[in-house]
Amino acid sequence: GEDVEQSLFLSVREGDSSVINCTYTDSSSTYLYWYKQEPGAGLQLLTYIFSNMDMKQDQRLTVLLNKKDKHLSLRIADTQTGDSAIYFCAESPFGGGNKLTFGTGTQLKVEL
Amino acid sequence: GAVVSQHPSWVICKSGTSVKIECRSLDFQATTMFWYRQFPKQSLMLMATSNEGSKATYEQGVEKDKFLINHASLTLSTLTVTSAHPEDSSFYICSARVQTSGRYRETQYFGPGTRLLVL
Repeated sequence: GEDVEQSLFLSVREGDSSVINCTYTDSSSTYLYWYKQEPGAGLQLLTYIFSNMDMKQDQRLTVLLNKKDKHLSLRIADTQTGDSAIYFCAESPFGGGNKLTFGTGTQLKVEL
Repeated sequence: GAVVSQHPSWVICKSGTSVKIECRSLDFQATTMFWYRQFPKQSLMLMATSNEGSKATYEQGVEKDKFLINHASLTLSTLTVTSAHPEDSSFYICSARVQTSGRYRETQYFGPGTRLLVL
């Protein structure tokens, strides 16, 4: 089955850039997503990228996709304390309105 | 727009009782909703896909008699944990798929989650 892996923890200083990495195994993954989960809350869709794209930028967020290596990354520029949360990557071969396979989640801690 | 609510936000119950969790799409109609389960410090695991007007589709390993799903209307799906036991304690999250103009939007919107503690 599909497998999506992430590093468990990342700590950065406020103002620095954060890079969260994700690898996936399903070569048919067509849609790839980044979600943010704050403590005790549901998931908030941050951004997404289609497999025919290499990069997508949305304000402070930059998503890079390396299809050959099945590697996805999320870069947060000028990281703020409000960015502290768990970040999940997710993939779907059919689109985000269908079954999503989530990664293990990366806890981002932003220090002053 | 595209707001999904869950009720209750948290619930504590005795072992052996049943608990019902509601998932509502507040400003859109959702023919499909999803139920996920999340253990502490772990990822979300899809439990089942809830389809309005038909039976839910359960993922492998999920007991359909244990986790009853009813999607009675286009804005409401319910998950009932029957005869709950301490191992059912978890964070349950629903999501709803937005359908516009006959085509599915490429996303689903998540509820805030329900924390269940079974004593």
